[in-house]
Order: sequence, then C-alpha cells, then structure tokens
Amino acid sequence: NAGVTQTPKFQVLKTGQSMTLQCAQDMNHEYMSWYRQDPGMGLRLIHYSVGAGITDQGEVPNGYNVSRSTTEDFPLRLLSAAPSQTSVYFCASSYTAGYTDTQYFGPGTRLTVL
Amino acid sequence: DAKTTQPPSMDCAEGRAANLPCNHSTISGNEYVYWYRQIHSQGPQYIIHGLKNNETNEMASLIITEDRKSSTLILPHATLRDTAVYYCIVNTGNTGKLIFGQGTTLQVKP
Repeated sequence: NAGVTQTPKFQVLKTGQSMTLQCAQDMNHEYMSWYRQDPGMGLRLIHYSVGAGITDQGEVPNGYNVSRSTTEDFPLRLLSAAPSQTSVYFCASSYTAGYTDTQYFGPGTRLTVL
Repeated sequence: DAKTTQPPSMDCAEGRAANLPCNHSTISGNEYVYWYRQIHSQGPQYIIHGLKNNETNEMASLIITEDRKSSTLILPHATLRDTAVYYCIVNTGNTGKLIFGQGTTLQVKP
C-alpha cells in the first residue's frame, strides 16, 4: 500500500490564484481530513469527510472547498489564494472517525502564497 | 473538546528512556489518548494509543493514570532518530477531529 499520498509537494502561488491540492489513499478508508500547520504551531482541521459524498467543516474552513466523489480521493481547493494561506497542508485518513481508528497522515504540501 | 497540556521541550541522553508527560484532565469516558510525532515537518507519525490500560508496541509504551487525567509516553531506548515533536492528543471519536497542541520537542543528545 502507498498509504496517503499528496501532490504537489511544493507550490508557490500569487495572491488571487486558485489551485487544488490532491490527496489520495489506497487503504479503503472512509474518513479523510485536511489539516494546515503554520510555523511553530500544531495542526488545525480545515475540512473532513466521513465517506464519499459527505463533507463538513473543521476549525478553519474559510477560503477552502472540498468534495468527495470517491472513497480514495479528497481534494482541497483554494478558491482565491491569500498570503495567510501560506502553510503546510496535511491530509489524513482512517477507517472511520471512531475513537479507536488511527489516522494516518500524508507527507504534506508546502504552499507559499506571494 | 478535551485539551492536552505538554511541556514545550525535553532533553534525553541517547540510549536512555525518554518519558514524555501529558495532562488531559477534561478527558471523557470513551475518549482515547493518542500519541503522534513529527520529524522535521514531515507528516505526523502514529506511535500508540490507549483508553485506560497501559499499552506497549514496538515503538513505545503508554502509561495512563487510573483517573485518566494524565499519561506518559515512554521511549525505552531513545536514539538520535527519535528527536521530534511529540503530540499527545485526545480522540473525541465524534467527528474524528484531532486537537493538536504545540507538543513537546524532544531532543535526544549523544
């Protein structure tokens, strides 16, 4: 299994540009989520999905959109990039959102918005 | 949401046991304690989790107090590769949301 994969690894955008961060998992996990990590900080939840066709907002959803058309993929869209969205983005997945289901993280996408 | 408190940093000599404490005094009955670590801004790596009994796996041991208000992660023989930020997290099991604090930066020294 490849686990959780993320593309691209690095990205530089100009303010106002849009882009999609890709996340895929091959573990047949129902639950997927996106976090962002700012320098020196812990991770904060952006959006999550408990299954295909179902998404919900996390702690810091503004400026981001998600959709979940398949079990494997959970893309994160930046509609109009802002410098405040400069961060490292991590995708995670687990079988469910339950107490005992371990979440596995991808390697991250490092995004810089100029 | 249950929150955790960890010391910001700790040092440990290579080959010695590293004991990382965590307070989670507001934890609820069904919530599990999870430990992750993050090396050089890579994706967080799962270490271990537990409810109320002590747990051990190939990476570490987890000791949870009887009242479940605190826990300790033990790396039995720390190596230089264990230098990382360690996060103690309570899994609320509701939305799957993991609440990350700032963690403990463990520096293993030769």
